[in-house]
Amino acid sequence: AQKVTQAQTEISVVEKEDVTLDCVYETRDTTYYLFWYKQPPSGELVFLIRRNSFDEQNEISGRYSWNFQKSTSSFNFTITASQVVDSAVYFCALSEMGGGTSYGKLTFGQGTILTVHP
Amino acid sequence: EPEVTQTPSHQVTQMGQEVILRCVPISNHLYFYWYRQILGQKVEFLVSFYNNEISEKSEIFDDQFSVERPDGSNFTLKIRSTKLEDSAMYFCASRVLKRYEQYFGPGTRLTVT
Repeated sequence: AQKVTQAQTEISVVEKEDVTLDCVYETRDTTYYLFWYKQPPSGELVFLIRRNSFDEQNEISGRYSWNFQKSTSSFNFTITASQVVDSAVYFCALSEMGGGTSYGKLTFGQGTILTVHP
Repeated sequence: EPEVTQTPSHQVTQMGQEVILRCVPISNHLYFYWYRQILGQKVEFLVSFYNNEISEKSEIFDDQFSVERPDGSNFTLKIRSTKLEDSAMYFCASRVLKRYEQYFGPGTRLTVT
């Protein structure tokens, strides 16, 4: 069974600080996808990034970067020079794709509430 | 940019009533999903729908729930006899073939009194 754990319930930082959100996952599949979604106070879920299990290359996109390590089953997300607009709940999610029986359902972590103070 | 839309944004209903939540997925998407999020909790998978039939459902998706794609654009979730514990935000999502990120609608907040 797939499981996603975000151990940090809430993080509070001051603007311009860097912040890393942790995500640890469990799966028996060798083929899977990992995602980060952002849920701002308005409530919608915004897709940020996707990684597949064969691609451990880390990625940087502007102030965002992601560190995927299969050896530790982690997919961490770092915001550099945080801004007040980054305040949101961030969800890590997993989708198993092996075995041909999965249609891509997402299993979400509990979410991390990030508050960036001015 | 195309987006998933959901109506209504907020629905208040009495316990035991039937509700229908509506979604219009992105037009070229082939996989459709419903999730729910009880206030302050994580997002939970309810059901996936592909090729005009349910492809996967969770334990939450019991006999009181049903989904339908009545025409080429709408995707609906029906809750037959609502309970207090059905109060939650319900999200619709969709994706294309061979790309696995799902795009979510803004959600319908269901309040059962």
